Amino acid sequence: AQSVTQPDIHITVSEGASLELRCNYSYGATPYLFWYVQSPGQGLQLLLKYFSGDTLVQGIKGFEAEFKRSQSSFNLRKPSVHWSDAAEYFCAVGATTGTASKLTFGTGTRLQVTL
Amino acid sequence: DAGVTQSPTHLIKTRGQHVTLRCSPISGHKSVSWYQQVLGQGPQFIFQYYEKEERGRGNFPDRFSARQFPNYSSELNVNALLLGDSALYLCASSLEDRFYGYTFGSGTRLTVV
Repeated sequence: AQSVTQPDIHITVSEGASLELRCNYSYGATPYLFWYVQSPGQGLQLLLKYFSGDTLVQGIKGFEAEFKRSQSSFNLRKPSVHWSDAAEYFCAVGATTGTASKLTFGTGTRLQVTL
Repeated sequence: DAGVTQSPTHLIKTRGQHVTLRCSPISGHKSVSWYQQVLGQGPQFIFQYYEKEERGRGNFPDRFSARQFPNYSSELNVNALLLGDSALYLCASSLEDRFYGYTFGSGTRLTVV
């Protein structure tokens, strides 16, 4: 069964500083990987996704992620964080089992941005 | 274009009661999936429906049930509510029966007291 680990529960960065959120996955085949962002009381917004091809994926809001098969990782990065980036970030792996197609999420990383 | 609409946005129920949550997908989307997000956790898969048929079910008790209507809207029903059912319930719709193009709604916050 697939699983996702986000080792950092909470991260605090200063506005303008760079950001890296870690994600490790476990999946037997080529993974479909996603990063979502969730603001308080809101649903999930897709930041970026990786299916195949170039291992460096660009997303919305200036985010990017790099797929590293050898490390089973899909870390999210941003060169310069803005105060509005404060939110909860979820990494997910997609898989189809039988007829069911679903996402398995990590427990999330809460990002706090200090001014 | 309207996104995924969920109703109600919030509700409070008593232990042992029954609850129905509703989801209207994006126009043209034929698949609806339900996820439960307990406070401090990531969302967990409950159900997937495509073309009105159940395609998959997560590790949830039989108290949880769902259905999809001819207009592709969906209901999630939970019977005999427990305190542990308190969570944000998210609905996601997609064109096809895959997770590739999920769009999530804002969720229904259920509190069981």
